[in-house]
Amino acid sequence: KQEVTQIPAALSVPEGENLVLNCSFTDSAIYNLQWFRQDPGKGLTSLLLIQSSQREQTSGRLNASLDKSSGRSTLYIAASQPGDSATYLCAVRPKAGPTQGGSEKLVFGKGTKLTVNP
Amino acid sequence: NAGVMQNPRHLVRRRGQEARLRCSPMKGHSHVYWYRQLPEEGLKFMVYLQKENIIDESGMPKERFSAEFPKEGPSILRIQQVVRGDSAAYFCASSQGGGYTFGSGTRLTVV
Repeated sequence: KQEVTQIPAALSVPEGENLVLNCSFTDSAIYNLQWFRQDPGKGLTSLLLIQSSQREQTSGRLNASLDKSSGRSTLYIAASQPGDSATYLCAVRPKAGPTQGGSEKLVFGKGTKLTVNP
Repeated sequence: NAGVMQNPRHLVRRRGQEARLRCSPMKGHSHVYWYRQLPEEGLKFMVYLQKENIIDESGMPKERFSAEFPKEGPSILRIQQVVRGDSAAYFCASSQGGGYTFGSGTRLTVV
């Protein structure tokens, strides 16, 4: 059974700091991995999607890496800003089978709550 | 492109009442998913639907919960005889084979 763990559960940093959020998963048979941002009382915003064949994806100040063999992904945020304060969720899309595409169920971690202080 | 639309945003029900949550997927998306987020918990998969078909309902509680995605109109998640433990945020997502797009969720409070 796939399980996703995110460490730390909460993180508070001063503005301008570079930071890393961690995600680990127990089964390396994944189709892709997606990082989301959730603001309080709001929905999920997709940040980065990494296919299982990829090692990393970048978007602006965000960089996500994937090491499937070790079951790890990191989200790197450069030059953090107060507007980055949110909960960051990691979600794995397992493989449906050895010769099939992705399962339709995402497995989520509980998230890392990030606070960037001005 | 309005994205995934969910309504209502907030819903308050008394114990024993019915709750109906609606989700309109992104234009061109025919796959709809419902997830539930309990307080201090991660999102948990509930059900995956395509038009007029339930594909996977392995995450749905066996009783009181049902979902549909009719040929016309939004997908509906229906909870009968709600209990306090049903209080949660319910998110809908849609896709067309690639990444998922989530709606803003419906926050259900059972009093």
